[in-house]
Amino acid sequence: DAKTTQPPSMDCAEGRAANLPCNHSTISGNEYVYWYRQIHSQGPQYIIHGLKNNETNEMASLIITEDRKSSTLILPHATLRDTAVYYCIVRLNTGNQFYFGTGTSLTVIP
Amino acid sequence: GAGVSQTPSNKVTEKGKYVELRCDPISGHTALYWYRQSLGQGPEFLIYFQGTGAADDSGLPNDRFFAVRPEGSVSTLKIQRTERGDSAVYLCASSLGGAQETQYFGPGTRLLVL
Repeated sequence: DAKTTQPPSMDCAEGRAANLPCNHSTISGNEYVYWYRQIHSQGPQYIIHGLKNNETNEMASLIITEDRKSSTLILPHATLRDTAVYYCIVRLNTGNQFYFGTGTSLTVIP
Repeated sequence: GAGVSQTPSNKVTEKGKYVELRCDPISGHTALYWYRQSLGQGPEFLIYFQGTGAADDSGLPNDRFFAVRPEGSVSTLKIQRTERGDSAVYLCASSLGGAQETQYFGPGTRLLVL
């Protein structure tokens, strides 16, 4: 089973920052946090991942709390094309599979 | 470069038939994964290949499902005696290999069993 908890849905105004939370209270010390998103009828798209430090790339920023029990994905300027289901995943250290859960359905509103 | 490709994009079959779904991973990626996604759910792991061998097939639901990767590149997911409950999107992903490598997904094959 997935070891993450996400709100089922969120709205965000176009041009504003979208902040998507994720709880992973049972995360182990060497497990990474990954974020993917899935736009309707497409395969999941990699966004970002991190272990302890905050990370930023051209798509988003990932903020991980100091105790690593939760994280937030930040889309700095949401556009209509960012409407998708966002999955927060904790990577098991005993295998290579991802457990996706049901994710957060983000709707960007014009 | 080219991403992960999957064929066919859509497959309609009748209950009891045999189907094969193909995945072409990103060139040079040694790890390959199959997932299944039902409507309204996140993808669920089926099987993982490292090279030619299945390193983890714990997600295969029963012995009607089988996958191969004979040359360590292209993989085929095979479903025998299909059932209506097998209807789903079958996703393939590949990665460079290793425990923490990012997986890159294909567009999926939408299977409908009538």
